[in-house]
Amino acid sequence: AQSVAQPEDQVNVAEGNPLTVKCTYSVSGNPYLFWYVQYPNRGLQFLLKYITGDNLVKGSYGFEAEFNKSQTSFHLKKPSALVSDSALYFCAVRDGGRGSYIPTFGRGTSLIVHP
Amino acid sequence: KAGVTQTPRYLIKTRGQQVTLSCSPISGHRSVSWYQQTPGQGLQFLFEYFSETQRNKGNFPGRFSGRQFSNSRSEMNVSTLELGDSALYLCASSQRLAGASTNIQYFGAGTRLSVL
Repeated sequence: AQSVAQPEDQVNVAEGNPLTVKCTYSVSGNPYLFWYVQYPNRGLQFLLKYITGDNLVKGSYGFEAEFNKSQTSFHLKKPSALVSDSALYFCAVRDGGRGSYIPTFGRGTSLIVHP
Repeated sequence: KAGVTQTPRYLIKTRGQQVTLSCSPISGHRSVSWYQQTPGQGLQFLFEYFSETQRNKGNFPGRFSGRQFSNSRSEMNVSTLELGDSALYLCASSQRLAGASTNIQYFGAGTRLSVL
């Protein structure tokens, strides 16, 4: 079985400050991890993924995520937040070793960046 | 390359009616997945089609069905609509080739269904 948790429904941060959106996961095999962003009235857009290799993954729009195997986490980060980063962020996991081809998505975290 | 196209963007129906939503994947993508997004339940997987065959299915009643055509376009049908079916329905396409690096799903803008 595979599952993912985003413990915060909402994250508030001031523009220019660093931001972190948290994600923890559970899989039986190797985790394939993804972050997506959703702007109002739009579909989800792919930001970045971790499959293997370097634990720090860089993605679109200056976002990065850190894979931590011991803590089963894959937190999304950005050094300096922009107001335009305000959106809904989804973490997703898929068991790379076996099981369904379909990823499981978290419930989403609303990021609000204040001017 | 054109993205995933979903039609219509908005739909209003009444209880008991049926509805058909359409999804055209990115050219070359043979896998199409459907999701239901609601504020309370988040993003829930409905089903996935690959090479015209349903490969995976989520935990939804039989009123929800789908199909895929030879050109990879997919349709989703909901019969006997209920108020609780009001949601944003998202379609995602991917190549579904061997190797996880290609397992990125690209989403359409969705169809917002309102059931009155």
